[in-house]
Amino acid sequence: NAGVTQTPKFRVLKTGQSMTLLCAQDMNHEYMYWYRQDPGMGLRLIHYSVGEGTTAKGEVPDGYNVSRLKKQNFLLGLESAAPSQTSVYFCASSYAGQAEGNTIYFGEGSWLTVV
Amino acid sequence: AQSVAQPEDQVNVAEGNPLTVKCTYSVSGNPYLFWYVQYPNRGLQFLLKYITGDNLVKGSYGFEAEFNKSQTSFHLKKPSALVSDSALYFCAVRDINAGNMLTFGGGTRLMVKP
Repeated sequence: NAGVTQTPKFRVLKTGQSMTLLCAQDMNHEYMYWYRQDPGMGLRLIHYSVGEGTTAKGEVPDGYNVSRLKKQNFLLGLESAAPSQTSVYFCASSYAGQAEGNTIYFGEGSWLTVV
Repeated sequence: AQSVAQPEDQVNVAEGNPLTVKCTYSVSGNPYLFWYVQYPNRGLQFLLKYITGDNLVKGSYGFEAEFNKSQTSFHLKKPSALVSDSALYFCAVRDINAGNMLTFGGGTRLMVKP
């Protein structure tokens, strides 16, 4: 029961470096999301995708890029890391269909520190 | 715009006592409401959701939540708390008129003491 899998789990970056977080889901979900979690601020949506080849901006998209080349994968890129991007990143996925109030399922998180 | 408020940063309760974690929401249309739990260094786990129907929703691990439309609230409850319930709890709302996006509250840390 893999569900939503994120790699890497931990990473330390120097300011200005780039990196990519990989998310994979095996539930055949149409929708995928990237959130960041900061103390006292809950989860904030960075980018999301409603299907293969499509992406859209969320609440806090600046400094991040995403790609959804395959239905099961959703990549989050940091082109030039900044200390403000130190956070815990969560990938999530869900079925489409607004009428069903579909549950969103989360990965285990990726802890990123930018020094 | 939709929003969620969890007015308590932390809730302390003794083991065996009932617990309540509060959540209020604001949406323009009818809400879908969710509770998630996060254990240390782990991802969010789905607990329960309200879509329609009975205002009392039962979920995992003995938790339940009551939807109150007039008070725009969706408080999480459990009749008898366990030490293992200690975790961070998030309430979330999805406005069916605003796409599939969830908006989360800031989280409430539940501490259950033996």
